Amino acid sequence: AAGVIQSPRHLIKEKRETATLKCYPIPRHDTVYWYQQGPGQDPQFLISFYEKMQSDKGSIPDRFSAQQFSDYHSELNMSSLELGDSALYFCASSSPGHQPYGYTFGSGTRLTVV
Amino acid sequence: GENVEQHPSTLSVQEGDSAVIKCTYSDSASNYFPWYKQELGKGPQLIIDIRSNVGEKKDQRIAVTLNKTAKHFSLHITETQPEDSAVYFCAARGFGNEKLTFGTGTRLTIIP
Repeated sequence: AAGVIQSPRHLIKEKRETATLKCYPIPRHDTVYWYQQGPGQDPQFLISFYEKMQSDKGSIPDRFSAQQFSDYHSELNMSSLELGDSALYFCASSSPGHQPYGYTFGSGTRLTVV
Repeated sequence: GENVEQHPSTLSVQEGDSAVIKCTYSDSASNYFPWYKQELGKGPQLIIDIRSNVGEKKDQRIAVTLNKTAKHFSLHITETQPEDSAVYFCAARGFGNEKLTFGTGTRLTIIP
């Protein structure tokens, strides 16, 4: 079965650079969520999109922005990167009307800011 | 907003014994409670979930119980095996496509 695809798997950026993370949800899933997970921490909700519109917003810095495109894939854009942005970034997708129900997470993008 | 607490933060059990992880939530409107297993460097994987209209659900060696009145739910793993070693997260969510709120995780170690 198709899963949530995230790219790239690993990314190394310097401070003040920009990064773009991509997420391709499970087919027919219309909702995408972004989470940030620091070392030894639980995933923290950043932002979500439903049918290409922002549906909820969590602890996402103003330096970050995201959008969901017409094919339902989503991109998280991170500018003016700081050392503290180093973390695992997970994307998850869901759709109440289609299996698998509940969230399905991607394998994540490990961002390292140096 | 929802707040989910999870205990213990670390748990070591002998292979073959049972492991229990407990979570409490604050928002009585939450009605969906999944459990995720996360191995090093990987994304959280859904292992079992329960909805608020059910008190218990079992899938082979894994079971989840929910007490809506007390607002707590638990993960039970029986006959533990070395491959059960991982970090486990509980989570809670309200109706529809609302975001998941995660517990702080439990690092489970199975001792051979």
